[in-house]
Amino acid sequence: GENVEQHPSTLSVQEGDSAVIKCTYSDSASNYFPWYKQELGKRPQLIIDIRSNVGEKKDQRIAVTLNKTAKHFSLHITETQPEDSAVYFCAAVPGTYKYIFGTGTRLKVLA
Amino acid sequence: ETGVTQTPRHLVMGMTNKKSLKCEQHLGHNAMYWYKQSAKKPLELMFVYNFKEQTENNSVPSRFSPECPNSSHLFLHLHTLQPEDSALYLCASSQDLGQYGYTFGSGTRLTVV
Repeated sequence: GENVEQHPSTLSVQEGDSAVIKCTYSDSASNYFPWYKQELGKRPQLIIDIRSNVGEKKDQRIAVTLNKTAKHFSLHITETQPEDSAVYFCAAVPGTYKYIFGTGTRLKVLA
Repeated sequence: ETGVTQTPRHLVMGMTNKKSLKCEQHLGHNAMYWYKQSAKKPLELMFVYNFKEQTENNSVPSRFSPECPNSSHLFLHLHTLQPEDSALYLCASSQDLGQYGYTFGSGTRLTVV
């Protein structure tokens, strides 16, 4: 069935380093790819999204890249800070409202 | 609290109890959703409402019963739940159905004993 694989499940980086989280999706009809950040005990919040007609999108220290041929997309966080510590979820949306979420990546930024 | 508000934040209930979760949004969004979040699993879509009409029931057991009296309010009625139903239940809304970013509520942490 439709699924999104997300790796790694946990990631620890030193403050100031970069972090990369990768997702691979199965439904080739997917054309919208949002990323959510969920801090401990808080709600998931949309941090960036990309549509299939674009290969890369950047917002300050956060960027997302999309490779439609390979069916994968990645979140890049540069100059990580302790407040970036959270669980990050990717999702692929195949042209409908049915978001297919990844299992999440717990990012820990070490001061 | 602005955005999407969920109450209660925490709920402990016995397997024979009946309880309800409430979700409220005043963002002018037309679509509302219930999701279940369990440890180490992807967010699981349960129900979708668009303009207060149910458009999706994702094979959810009948012990979960949604209600959407208007576009701003969404309820999840619970009865005779099982311990495996313990999870974080998240409500979300979006401008319309389709490829719009969700605004999530903070969730209700449900424990079934």
